[in-house]
Amino acid sequence: GDSVTQMEGPVTLSEEAFLTINCTYTATGYPSLFWYVQYPGEGLQLLLKATKADDKGSNKGFEATYRKETTSFHLEKGSVQVSDSAVYFCALSEGYGGSQGNLIFGKGTKLSVKP
Amino acid sequence: DTEVTQTPKHLVMGMTNKKSLKCEQHMGHRAMYWYKQKAKKPPELMFVYSYEKLSINESVPSRFSPECPNSSLLNLHLHALQPEDSALYLCASSQDPEGSTEAFFGQGTRLTVV
Repeated sequence: GDSVTQMEGPVTLSEEAFLTINCTYTATGYPSLFWYVQYPGEGLQLLLKATKADDKGSNKGFEATYRKETTSFHLEKGSVQVSDSAVYFCALSEGYGGSQGNLIFGKGTKLSVKP
Repeated sequence: DTEVTQTPKHLVMGMTNKKSLKCEQHMGHRAMYWYKQKAKKPPELMFVYSYEKLSINESVPSRFSPECPNSSLLNLHLHALQPEDSALYLCASSQDPEGSTEAFFGQGTRLTVV
């Protein structure tokens, strides 16, 4: 079945450092890809998404590009802030005709940013 | 308004209790979902409602009983739970079950079974 693999954490960075969190997927169809963020004690917030190959999702300085050839959707940010400390989940949903609320998540990567 | 509201935020219940979790959205979304998230794990899908009808049940034990009384409300009735059912229960909604719109999540109900 479909699956998502993301780099294990925790990841600890200094403020203003460059962030990359790797995510690869396995899917039989044409999935949509997402990054969700979860702050301590809270629910999930959609950070960005991409629905087809070569799409780039971006939000709040974070970016990820849907790479069909490498089945990847790596999350990047040029300069992290302390407020970015959270758990980041890569996720996919079935593509055309599939509901984007029916999500398969990676295991999550905990990011800690130190001042 | 892009909010999904879940109540209560915290719930402690005994193994013989009956309780309900509530989820509400006023975005006109026609798909609603329950997810379960254990500590330090990703969310796992439990149920999907599409146009107020149950469309997916991911082999969830019958001690969890979902209900969708109308297009804005989603309940999860709990009965005879076990301590291992303690988790964060997340509700989500999306505009169209067949379309390509993202899901919005609530803040969750943190359930502790004692």
